[in-house]
Amino acid sequence: GAVVSQHPSWVICKSGTSVKIECRSLDFQATTMFWYRQFPKQSLMLMATSNEGSKATYEQGVEKDKFLINHASLTLSTLTVTSAHPEDSSFYICSASPGQGATYEQYFGPGTRLTVT
Amino acid sequence: GESVGLHLPTLSVQEGDNSIINCAYSNSASDYFIWYKQESGKGPQFIIDIRSNMDKRQGQRVTVLLNKTVKHLSLQIAATQPGDSAVYFCAENIRSGNKLVFGAGTILRVKS
Repeated sequence: GAVVSQHPSWVICKSGTSVKIECRSLDFQATTMFWYRQFPKQSLMLMATSNEGSKATYEQGVEKDKFLINHASLTLSTLTVTSAHPEDSSFYICSASPGQGATYEQYFGPGTRLTVT
Repeated sequence: GESVGLHLPTLSVQEGDNSIINCAYSNSASDYFIWYKQESGKGPQFIIDIRSNMDKRQGQRVTVLLNKTVKHLSLQIAATQPGDSAVYFCAENIRSGNKLVFGAGTILRVKS
């Protein structure tokens, strides 16, 4: 149980285009979903927290107009990287939680490798 | 604050030995701690967690110790196996923000 999937697993796009990444909780309802970014040999950095049906809460320094997050249902959240640039190339990881906030266990997806050329 | 590491520390152990991975956390208000294992190109995998009202918790082959006085967390892996080779992250839940903050990570290499 508690499986989280991400799609695509990897994507290559040209600079200036937009890319959408999906995060799904397959066997539970996720009240809260989190989006992280991880650069090579670095830790996971929280980008934003989203609760179903409400606007995402972005961490300081993360541009909400560039990283659009939609959490329209209890099993799906999407992250859209708009007007991607090479510096946005990274490993994007989502996690889903059945409760509110991080005190409930987070189940992580397998990640999406984004390369912007 | 959030931890970022450009050069992850590495712990090399012989297969069968015990491993101890350490983590210093930043916020005395944190009330929940988790250890994750991350293999190359994959998402983090939950290992074990501990709440701030405890100082020790044991799982299968793993033990987490929490010292709130010095804000230190450790993960002990018994009889380390090659499959344990990965990057290990501690994470703390900062109560006020109700979000997880990850530590810098430690690379564990198991030599056969």
